[in-house]
Amino acid sequence: QSVLAQPPSVSGAPGQRVTISCTGSSSNIGADFDVHWYQQLPETAPKLLIYGNNNRPSGVPDRFSGSKSATSASLAISGLQTEDEADYYCQSYDTSLSAWVFGGGTKLTVL
Amino acid sequence: EVQLVESGGGLVQPGGSLRLSCAASGFTFSSYAMTWVRQAPGKGLEWVSTIGASGNTYYVDSVKGRFTISRDNSKNTLFLQMNSLRAEDTAVYYCAKKAVVSKSWFDPWGQGTLVTVSS
Repeated sequence: QSVLAQPPSVSGAPGQRVTISCTGSSSNIGADFDVHWYQQLPETAPKLLIYGNNNRPSGVPDRFSGSKSATSASLAISGLQTEDEADYYCQSYDTSLSAWVFGGGTKLTVL
Repeated sequence: EVQLVESGGGLVQPGGSLRLSCAASGFTFSSYAMTWVRQAPGKGLEWVSTIGASGNTYYVDSVKGRFTISRDNSKNTLFLQMNSLRAEDTAVYYCAKKAVVSKSWFDPWGQGTLVTVSS
């Protein structure tokens, strides 16, 4: 069971908007640690998608956006494309565990 | 361009040892913390260990006392010495560069190296 909770799967049709939640606690997200998001395409290494809650690295389309509130965070993907099919992971730091922590991952299916 | 290339994975028996390496290029290696993250087959990501630019080390509880992270700044290489390996250590191990900001994100990641612990 992951410290950061994510839904196992989400789906949407091309062009639609989906959101992926990441729920933490007072020892991680709620302790004012930033949330970061990674995209893992099939059979590839994870790639940074969002850092510092809502910042996109160079090259990441503005269809991807992040937000954070209290003890949770969300990743939104608008204008879904088939190439967005991937696993998405949130990540933060947990002060009680003294450890970097990941969510369990969410598989996005583009119908 | 920043590049990270892992090596050293393979099949090892329970109780055995393995040393992973991660060759870095394209940035001033000595100035950055570096991290190992693993992914068991069909599972999610798990942070394993981080070494700071100054050499401070951090480990997930499940590997404390068994794994040792180190770095050779003269060779731009990160290492993970894994001893007393268990079946549950079976995973793809990724090395990643950690951002300068404290308690922050990992970018980029290497392609990973597979460690299989089995008799």
